[in-house]
Amino acid sequence: SNSVKQTGQITVSEGASVTMNCTYTSTGYPTLFWYVEYPSKPLQLLQRETMENSKNFGGGNIKDKNSPIVKYSVQVSDSAVYYCLLGDQPCLGGSQGNLIFGKGTKLSVKP
Amino acid sequence: DVKVTQSSRYLVKRTGEKVFLECVQDMDHENMFWYRQDPGLGLRLIYFSYDVKMKEKGDIPEGYSVSREKKERFSLILESASTNQTSMYLCASTTTKGFNYGYTFGSGTRLTVV
Repeated sequence: SNSVKQTGQITVSEGASVTMNCTYTSTGYPTLFWYVEYPSKPLQLLQRETMENSKNFGGGNIKDKNSPIVKYSVQVSDSAVYYCLLGDQPCLGGSQGNLIFGKGTKLSVKP
Repeated sequence: DVKVTQSSRYLVKRTGEKVFLECVQDMDHENMFWYRQDPGLGLRLIYFSYDVKMKEKGDIPEGYSVSREKKERFSLILESASTNQTSMYLCASTTTKGFNYGYTFGSGTRLTVV
C-alpha cells in the first residue's frame, strides 16, 4: 500500500545546507509535492516532482524511493515544518487517486 | 488574493455543542477536503468531496459529518463536540483537471473544545 515517511526534526546553523528526506512507496503513478508551513500561515507549495520530471516511467510498485528537498544556505526565517505529499494515481491522466501526507519535518535554524 | 477561506481562525466551543466549520474556495475546484492537524500526527484526512452533494470518508471520519450543497462551499460539522476534537482544522481544494497539481490550503481553524 502507499506510504510516506519523513524525518521528524532537523536542527542546523544558519548558512548550512540541509536535505530533508521523503521516502515513499507507490502502487501507481506518483507525484511528489513539498509544502512548507510557517507559523500562522497557510501551507504553501514549494515544489512538485511528476513522473515526467523524474524520468521514472512505467509506474507501479515503487518501494521506499526517496525524493528529498534540499535547501542551501538556510536562514533563521527558513525555520518551519516541511510536509511531503504523495499523489498516487492508478493510471496516468486520470482524475482519481490517493493523496497521502507525511508527518512533516520540523526544521529549526539557529543563528 | 485569497483563494481558500475558512470562516474562523479561532473557535472555542463547549462539550456537546454542534459546531460548524465553513470553507469557501473561489477557484472553481471540484475537489475539497477537510484535514485535522495534530502535533506528532501530521495531517489526517477527515472527509472529502469530489462534487456537489458527494462526500467520501477519509481516515478519521468518526464524530464528523460534512455538507457540500454548492461547489464552492464545504462544511465540516461536529455533531456533538468533544474535548478530543480540539485541534487545528485545515480545508483544501484541488482541481480534477490535473490531479497532480496539488492542494490549495486555507489558513486553518484552531478549535478548542472545553
